[in-house]
Amino acid sequence: GQQVMQIPQYQHVQEGEDFTTYCNSSTTLSNIQWYKQRPGGHPVFLIQLVKSGEVKKQKRLTFQFGEAKKNSSLHITATQTTDVGTYFCAGILRGYQKVTFGTGTKLQVIP
Amino acid sequence: DTGVSQDPRHKITKRGQNVTFRCDPISEHNRLYWYRQTLGQGPEFLTYFQNEAQLEKSRLLSDRFSAERPKGSFSTLEIQRTEQGDSAMYLCASSLARGGRAPGEQYFGPGTRLTVT
Repeated sequence: GQQVMQIPQYQHVQEGEDFTTYCNSSTTLSNIQWYKQRPGGHPVFLIQLVKSGEVKKQKRLTFQFGEAKKNSSLHITATQTTDVGTYFCAGILRGYQKVTFGTGTKLQVIP
Repeated sequence: DTGVSQDPRHKITKRGQNVTFRCDPISEHNRLYWYRQTLGQGPEFLTYFQNEAQLEKSRLLSDRFSAERPKGSFSTLEIQRTEQGDSAMYLCASSLARGGRAPGEQYFGPGTRLTVT
């Protein structure tokens, strides 16, 4: 079945440093979504990417969808303590509604 | 608060008992999803409804699990003959999507934490 892997599994950064998480799917995706889950909380939608090679920015966050639509990345510039949490990518296959979440990257920001 | 509510928030049950969880999605949302999440893992898809129709169900889902969305509004997830391996957070999410388009932004509820002793 479809698998979505993320690396790294954990990342500790000093406040102000940049952070990147990478997402890889075993199959070509139709769309990819990104979510953030704070400790003890539920996933919160960040963005959806649809087009091959698409790049979207939200303030300090930059999201990319690979040309082959099998990988994606999230980059955070100048991390802040409010960025702490686990970041999940979630892939959707064409013609399906099932959303397959990745393994997640847990970000810890050291003040 | 996303507008999606789940009840109960916590449930402790003994192995072999049946449990039922409820999810109230955002009222205008036509799609409703159930996920299971264990510690350190991403949410695992269980099933999905468009209005009252259950359109997809995980092949990994045991026959002990059943879900309904009788009037296309709230949904229930029942687990029969619970096992210790069923202990997890059960999350509900809703979204508004049109036609056969891919799921849009999903709004998650706070979840129901199930502990099977």
